[in-house]
Amino acid sequence: NAGVTQTPKFQVLKTGQSMTLQCAQDMNHNSMYWYRQDPGMGLRLIYYSASEGTTDKGEVPNGYNVSRLNKREFSLRLESAAPSQTSVYFCASRRGSEAFFGQGTRLTVV
Amino acid sequence: QQPVQSPQAVILREGEDAVINCSSSKALYSVHWYRQKHGEAPVFLMILLKGGEQKGHDKISASFNEKKQQSSLYLTASQLSYSGTYFCGTANYGGATNKLIFGTGTLLAVQP
Repeated sequence: NAGVTQTPKFQVLKTGQSMTLQCAQDMNHNSMYWYRQDPGMGLRLIYYSASEGTTDKGEVPNGYNVSRLNKREFSLRLESAAPSQTSVYFCASRRGSEAFFGQGTRLTVV
Repeated sequence: QQPVQSPQAVILREGEDAVINCSSSKALYSVHWYRQKHGEAPVFLMILLKGGEQKGHDKISASFNEKKQQSSLYLTASQLSYSGTYFCGTANYGGATNKLIFGTGTLLAVQP
């Protein structure tokens, strides 16, 4: 049982490059989330998806886009990466009470 | 809007108690508590859904005061394994109740 799988685990981008962070869950959860974690800022919600086919903005959506491809997969895209997007990104899925987090993607934009 | 957690950090000796507070400026539908160890993903501790609800998990318990829009996490007789960063997450009425917003975290260090 893999739970929530994020790829890649580490990535270095140059300013202006684009990339997609992948997230997949095998628990048949309806809700999925993307958070970024920065020192002293906690976990900030970028986008979430309450169910397949729906996505909504969180607290810090600027510079990001998401796709809920199907019930299992929820991807996060950076169209033109900026140094301010250097962070650890967590994907999570939830059905009911408990949210399960992936192991994170450490992204550095230089 | 992120819930506000206090304190930002606390250092304990094994066996001591601690309280972490979480408050929101909006009416709360639910409060969620997570713990994250260094370099790892956050892990679920408990959820409180009703005002006045209290829950326990080993020697970690929590309460939810819906009227005051706040929750508290109680760590009793702390153990070394309790060290980590604790996050409260909230979902508010008036919006999507599955929109889960986390606070800035409380760093807990338990020393021998």
